[in-house]
Amino acid sequence: GAGVSQSPSNKVTEKGKDVELRCDPISGHTALYWYRQSLGQGLEFLIYFQGNSAPDKSGLPSDRFSAERTGGSVSTLTIQRTQQEDSAVYLCASSQTLTPSTDTQYFGPGTRLTVL
Amino acid sequence: AQTVTQSQPEMSVQEAETVTLSCTYDTSESDYYLFWYKQPPSRQMILVIRQEAYKQQNATENRFSVNFQKAAKSFSLKISDSQLGDAAMYFCAFGGSQGNLIFGKGTKLSVKP
Repeated sequence: GAGVSQSPSNKVTEKGKDVELRCDPISGHTALYWYRQSLGQGLEFLIYFQGNSAPDKSGLPSDRFSAERTGGSVSTLTIQRTQQEDSAVYLCASSQTLTPSTDTQYFGPGTRLTVL
Repeated sequence: AQTVTQSQPEMSVQEAETVTLSCTYDTSESDYYLFWYKQPPSRQMILVIRQEAYKQQNATENRFSVNFQKAAKSFSLKISDSQLGDAAMYFCAFGGSQGNLIFGKGTKLSVKP
């Protein structure tokens, strides 16, 4: 079946503009995660959604970052008033069960965000 | 807080040879999972292998195997008969009670023909 998809693949924006990144998880997966990968670094957790529970926002770096998941499927990560340090690859992942730490997370191809 | 450390920023192996990538972690949890992910230049993170902490037997997947030492909190990945397609970034990850995965900074593996 189809994997996790993300759009756009690449996004170039000017400092101060808002951007929206989209993630389509694997159908039927209840858990959805956003990670950020800065150049030469590992993945940094941002936020995850698990079923109908309130999202875990503990990894969001500032209040300029927000995310929502509509209908338990598609998710949008929004970055307001972008800064140059926001430049990174943003990766989305989904997993099947309600115990996300123990189930395999499948990743999308990521969105490369460049803030000029 | 859990941490994952990959002490080898870069590794190189000759085609058909064996290479071992190191990973150590720190946690106070007793039930957890460990993962190795591969990230080729395409950026797509691909699961290579996973290990349940409660299992003593080391996981294997074809040419990939792990050496899991729970007491030492060590989780190394061995790649046998290395192929050109194995060249990529390899990330070690910890999955515990917090839900999200915690990743190391990665090891860049080069395979020489």
